[in-house]
Amino acid sequence: ETGVTQSPTHLIKTRGQQVTLRCSSQSGHNTVSWYQQALGQGPQFIFQYYREEENGRGNFPPRFSGLQFPNYSSELNVNALELDDSALYLCASSPFSGRDYEQYFGPGTRLTVT
Amino acid sequence: RKEVEQDPGPFNVPEGATVAFNCTYSNSASQSFFWYRQDCRKEPKLLMSVYSSGNEDGRFTAQLNRASQYISLLIRDSKLSDSATYLCVVETGANNLFFGTGTRLTVIP
Repeated sequence: ETGVTQSPTHLIKTRGQQVTLRCSSQSGHNTVSWYQQALGQGPQFIFQYYREEENGRGNFPPRFSGLQFPNYSSELNVNALELDDSALYLCASSPFSGRDYEQYFGPGTRLTVT
Repeated sequence: RKEVEQDPGPFNVPEGATVAFNCTYSNSASQSFFWYRQDCRKEPKLLMSVYSSGNEDGRFTAQLNRASQYISLLIRDSKLSDSATYLCVVETGANNLFFGTGTRLTVIP
């Protein structure tokens, strides 16, 4: 196990609703990245937080937002849910924000939008 | 064009076989390269980083060709436990990792 935890494990929401997913990073890691993995696809980078600031963002609309707290845990918020938002949401933590670092993934939250 | 392209497979090989996966990337400014492994309904885990000089870890060998923007992973003496999806990952800077769609491997007894 990596020490990265995510909650909830599974979630079912209705189109138009809002959702908050949570991630606790591995002890000593100050960087958290969020990914969306649709069925049969590789993870797609949503954004990264480093020391409570957004530190890079992928090609996702503004209704995907996040937070990082002083203890380095993080939240992903998605507003106005769409059917295509159904996916596995992965959080990954790492000890540094930079190159050549390993990202440790949590088990993910499986979101279903109906 | 996708940032990272992989043959999705599936690759079905017998135990003991050697299998190779290939991956191409589009951004010539890419900085770092990795292979991750993902088991069914599990999270991705780092298998190995990929260096220009090539690197080996037991039965696994990774190669990088910057001129051709090409990455490979070779698995020798395949084991049943090697069955998984192998994800090619490229870091382009700005802390953005691009994952390929993954190549699914099944090792058959």
